[in-house]
Formats: sequence, C-alpha cells, structure tokens
Amino acid sequence: GENVEQHPSTLSVQEGDSAVIKCTYSDSASNYFPWYKQELGKGPQLIIDIRSNVGEKKDQRIAVTLNKTAKHFSLHITETQPEDSAVYFCAASSGAGSYQLTFGKGTKLSVIP
Amino acid sequence: GAGVSQSPSNKVTEKGKDVELRCDPISGHTALYWYRQSLGQGLEFLIYFQGNSAPDKSGLPSDRFSAERTGGSVSTLTIQRTQQEDSAVYLCASSLNRNTGELFFGEGSRLTVL
Repeated sequence: GENVEQHPSTLSVQEGDSAVIKCTYSDSASNYFPWYKQELGKGPQLIIDIRSNVGEKKDQRIAVTLNKTAKHFSLHITETQPEDSAVYFCAASSGAGSYQLTFGKGTKLSVIP
Repeated sequence: GAGVSQSPSNKVTEKGKDVELRCDPISGHTALYWYRQSLGQGLEFLIYFQGNSAPDKSGLPSDRFSAERTGGSVSTLTIQRTQQEDSAVYLCASSLNRNTGELFFGEGSRLTVL
C-alpha cells in the first residue's frame, strides 16, 4: 500500500518568512495530492491540492510543487502570518479523488510574531 | 446543517465499556469516511461508505470496531469493549462522491478510555 512520509514534524518561522513542508510517497500510481490544515480543536480543512498532470499550483501565498520522478511534493507558504500557525497534513491517493487517501503524520507550524 | 456534525465532542469511558460516536454528513454528500487521529500521528483511515454500496472496512483495527450508515446519511461508529489504546480523536468526513477531491471534516469526537 501507499506510504507517505512528511518532514519536518515541527517548524518555527518568524512572521513574514517562508515555510516549506516536504512529503514523499511510495506508490508511483498515486495521482492526487492534497494538503490539509488543522487548527486547534478543529477538523482538517483542504487548503490546496494538485494532480499528477501538473507540476506546480499556486493560490495567493500558498503553492504546491510535485516531482513525480522523485515521488515527492512540497507545500510552500510565503509571507507567513500568525494565523498560518496550525498542523499541516499532506496526503496521496491513487484514486481519482479522496477515496483511499493516505495521510502523512503532520507538521506543526508555529509562526512567531 | 452547513457542515459535518459529530457527537459527542468529548467522551470519557471506562475500559471494557462500549461507545457509540455519531456523524451527520453534509446533505447530499454520498461518500462518508471515518478516520482516527492519535496523539502525534496522522490520520488513520478506518472505514468508507459510498451510497448504497458495501462499505470498505479495510482500515478497522479489530473486530471490536464497527460502523453503519443508515439511509445513506447519518453514520455511527461503535467501539465495543474499549481499551486504553482506543483513546484518540475520531474524525468523520464527507465528500460529494468518491471521485471528488475535497473532504469536509467534522470537529471530531475525542475519546478517552480510563
């Protein structure tokens, strides 16, 4: 089955700096890669996703890059703000969508004002 | 409701007791998932329902765990003879269908087994 590794497990950045979280996956058939943000006491919420036919996707301060050859993908957050502080999860799926998603163990991001 | 609703939000029980956790998905969503989130761990898939199809139970950790979905809407996750290692946050999510990208999660039910 699929195995998703996520690094780092914790990350502290100064407000305004960039943050990068990296994930690797094992199943070369995986073709859907979402990122979820979980704030304290809440359920995870989708912030951005990418499919295997695209190498990069941006949404304002957030971007995701995908390297299918190396089987890794990354989340980039620029101009970090205190409200970006949360736990971020990457995931991978070999299905068309959310079915059979395998999640990484999460990265706790702290943005220091 | 506007989002996925889960109850109870917190449950403390004694080892050996049975517990039931409830999930109300977003109206019209045919796919429903249960995940378990243990401290410092990722989201562990438990079970998946899609419409009237047979559920995918491949993630259930033991036969003490079961789930049902009545009328294609509300789902109940039951844990029998609870053990301390069952302590975790149980998250329910729904999506429009199995091929839709976005999962909508509830806020979870935190289970503590003493």
